Amino acid sequence: EAGVAQSPRYKIIEKRQSVAFWCNPISGHATLYWYQQILGQGPKLLIQFQNNGVVDDSQLPKDRFSAERLKGVDSTLKIQPAKLEDSAVYLCASSFLTGGTLQETQYFGPGTRLLVL
Amino acid sequence: AQKITQTQPGMFVQEKEAVTLDCTYDTSDPSYGLFWYKQPSSGEMIFLIYQGSYDQQNATEGRYSLNFQKARKSANLVISASQLGDSAMYFCAMRPGYSSASKIIFGSGTRLSIRP
Repeated sequence: EAGVAQSPRYKIIEKRQSVAFWCNPISGHATLYWYQQILGQGPKLLIQFQNNGVVDDSQLPKDRFSAERLKGVDSTLKIQPAKLEDSAVYLCASSFLTGGTLQETQYFGPGTRLLVL
Repeated sequence: AQKITQTQPGMFVQEKEAVTLDCTYDTSDPSYGLFWYKQPSSGEMIFLIYQGSYDQQNATEGRYSLNFQKARKSANLVISASQLGDSAMYFCAMRPGYSSASKIIFGSGTRLSIRP
């Protein structure tokens, strides 16, 4: 079974530029998550999709971040314009269900490391 | 407030020794799940072990066990017979609530280094 795929793996941009990250979840997984992991911290949820609908985007800085999952499969996270503090690893994860048990496991991709100069 | 605290930023352990990684949590929800993830240098988070708040017994998965002390709100990870491949960041996490619709909250992690 293929895991969660993310691209690019690394990205360096200058502040005020825009950037986009792509994620393809495990086949059949209804729920997709985007996390931001700043150096020295644990991941923080940015947005959670179930199929192509948003379940939780309470921690997404909507003035500059946007995300979509139009066909309920792969997803794109965009930052426009980027700030220095957006330097982080952006992790995508997927799980089979939303509304399943507490034990429902999230499977993570390798992440995209973003450096904003 | 929902919070996970990991007080050990880094630990060094000799190969083949057992190691305990500390984790305390704070929640007012009576129902919650506790997780441990491993993050090697490659970057992806790998699920290790799960403990439910109503589980009577401590969870075990191979060399991993979770020392769950509900009254103390602690959920320490014990790795027996450590191996060089165990060197990584380890994150404790909590999902409060009753279903997987609740978001997972992560601690700040502990970097474990295994000495040969």
